[in-house]
Amino acid sequence: AQRVTQPEKLLSVFKGAPVELKCNYSYSGSPELFWYVQYSRQRLQLLLRHISRESIKGFTADLNKGETSFHLKKPFAQEEDSAMYYCALSVTYNTDKLIFGTGTRLQVFP
Amino acid sequence: DVKVTQSSRYLVKRTGEKVFLECVQDMDHENMFWYRQDPGLGLRLIYFSYDVKMKEKGDIPEGYSVSREKKERFSLILESASTNQTSMYLCASSLDPGSSGANVLTFGAGSRLTVL
Repeated sequence: AQRVTQPEKLLSVFKGAPVELKCNYSYSGSPELFWYVQYSRQRLQLLLRHISRESIKGFTADLNKGETSFHLKKPFAQEEDSAMYYCALSVTYNTDKLIFGTGTRLQVFP
Repeated sequence: DVKVTQSSRYLVKRTGEKVFLECVQDMDHENMFWYRQDPGLGLRLIYFSYDVKMKEKGDIPEGYSVSREKKERFSLILESASTNQTSMYLCASSLDPGSSGANVLTFGAGSRLTVL
């Protein structure tokens, strides 16, 4: 069965520290993976997608098919990065159905 | 430039009541979705629709139904609300597959439902 696992419910770091939010997936097909973010009192929004291979707000994520992982990384965390982060897997090309992980709350302390 | 609008931000209902949650998008998107968001459980797909009058069950459809009579509107219906349906409900939409923005969901602000 398709599944997305985010093992950490909460990740706390100090400003300037590196951040890695873990995401592992289970899917036998060709995966399409995403990171969505929800800042306090804001809507859930797309942060980045693996096929774009771009850096957004200093965050990057590389798809590792061997380890079935799509970890989100940022070398130097900022206080404004504090938010809820969800990893998501697209399993059906024609209908854009996404399976989400349980989310990781990132807290960046000053 | 609000693109996905959920009509009710907060609702309080009693057990057994019928509940309608409305969602409207103005982006001419083909696909629309209803998720519920619960702490520790993440987002779980209830129903989705890829065309007018078409619907497909998601992972947790029990106790819910949906209606899509017009392309821009997707309604979630709780026929007889129960306390375990207390949750945040998120509506989302996405472009037609094959488009440059396909697989990217645009979410509404959410509807927080409390069932007493």
